[in-house]
Amino acid sequence: EAGVTQSPTHLIKTRGQQATLRCSPISGHTSVYWYQQALGLGLQFLLWYDEGEERNRGNFPPRFSGRQFPNYSSELNVNALELEDSALYLCASSFPRTGELFFGEGSRLTVL
Amino acid sequence: QQQVKQSPQSLIVQKGGISIINCAYENTAFDYFPWYQQFPGKGPALLIAIRPDVSEKKEGRFTISFNKSAKQFSLHIMDSQPGDSATYFCAASRMDSSYKLIFGSGTRLLVRP
Repeated sequence: EAGVTQSPTHLIKTRGQQATLRCSPISGHTSVYWYQQALGLGLQFLLWYDEGEERNRGNFPPRFSGRQFPNYSSELNVNALELEDSALYLCASSFPRTGELFFGEGSRLTVL
Repeated sequence: QQQVKQSPQSLIVQKGGISIINCAYENTAFDYFPWYQQFPGKGPALLIAIRPDVSEKKEGRFTISFNKSAKQFSLHIMDSQPGDSATYFCAASRMDSSYKLIFGSGTRLLVRP
């Protein structure tokens, strides 16, 4: 069974540009979570989507946004990129309301 | 109140020794406490998890000890092996509402041969 898949693996952007990251959850999982892992730091909660709706949001500015599609895949958009947005962005999925998250390998975003 | 504090930041253990990582939380509404293991270049993987209705859970060489009154929980790795060298994250969440995991800052474990 395929795990959580994320694309692209690496992405290099310049300050002010926009980045789009994609995530495909494990089959049967309807919840998708996005986390930011800056170098040497822990995982910071960004967004939670369930059944196509945003259910919860972490302490990040509005330029971090996303959506969940009818097939439960998800997209994270980061507008007006800043240098400090450079990080590993991790997507996780779970069955509805179980709390047991399965993570992908992440998309590494570098902002120059 | 949303924080989960994890210590130590790094840990070096000899092969065969016991690795102990501690976490503390403030929000008494948390009711699910997992530990994740992350190898370089990989996403975190669930290792073991506990609910507050039990004080200990063991899976192979990995044991979670939970102290509800002290709002602390810890991971013990018995007979530590070089293959256990990874970063370990504790986490906590509320299973009745947000389900989002709040992670500790991580512990980098190195097991020397």
